[in-house]
Amino acid sequence: QSALNQPASVSGSPGQSITISCTGTSSDIGPYNYVSWYQQHPGKAPKLIIYEVSNRPSGVSNRFSGSKSGNTASLTISGLQAEDEADYYCSSYTSSSTVVFGGGTKVTVL
Amino acid sequence: QVQLVQSGAEVKKPGASVKVSCKASGYTFTDYYIHWVRQAPGQGLEWMGRISPDSGGTNYAQNLQGRVTMTRDTSVNTVYMELSRLRSDDTTVYYCARVKGAATTWGPFDYWGQGTLVTVSS
Repeated sequence: QSALNQPASVSGSPGQSITISCTGTSSDIGPYNYVSWYQQHPGKAPKLIIYEVSNRPSGVSNRFSGSKSGNTASLTISGLQAEDEADYYCSSYTSSSTVVFGGGTKVTVL
Repeated sequence: QVQLVQSGAEVKKPGASVKVSCKASGYTFTDYYIHWVRQAPGQGLEWMGRISPDSGGTNYAQNLQGRVTMTRDTSVNTVYMELSRLRSDDTTVYYCARVKGAATTWGPFDYWGQGTLVTVSS
């Protein structure tokens, strides 16, 4: 199972909105609404920020939103803040009954 | 509160085995699947497999089949991940993670352990 495809890096200025794409296939993202997004700061464990494509866990800022179209999922961070600087990973359930992650995207706040 | 506490860092020689533990607290242990995810230094996340703490049933990533074994001990609310025939590229941080929701088994992962660094070096 190949990793989901994410851009290596995305950057934006404080207050701006950025979008991270996550491209999969008809065997993972396409047929299922089981896409999750995780935020990881250096030296820390990942933190769940979006699940089932567009749902936010309790306590996660509403500046984070998710969507999906076809085989591609997206994470949008609006009103970018310095604390949002981190690595972001998408994941999906697959038709092989496994879980696959994206390669990760480093978000830089300029 | 929910906590997953993992065992400490390990240094192993190539060809050896390592067993990492993940002790759960703050919830009903048998109600939530546990998955294992690893991350090489500076690299992305890699799914390794999952275990049902209730039945002990497992699913493993194809590339680790035959080398990884996940088990649990319900008497101490702990799951274990053992990786055998270690290679240098198994030098990574290993995480356990709990699935959000007692009715789901494949994710998402709402609680994570602190990570365990396993270094494979001769």
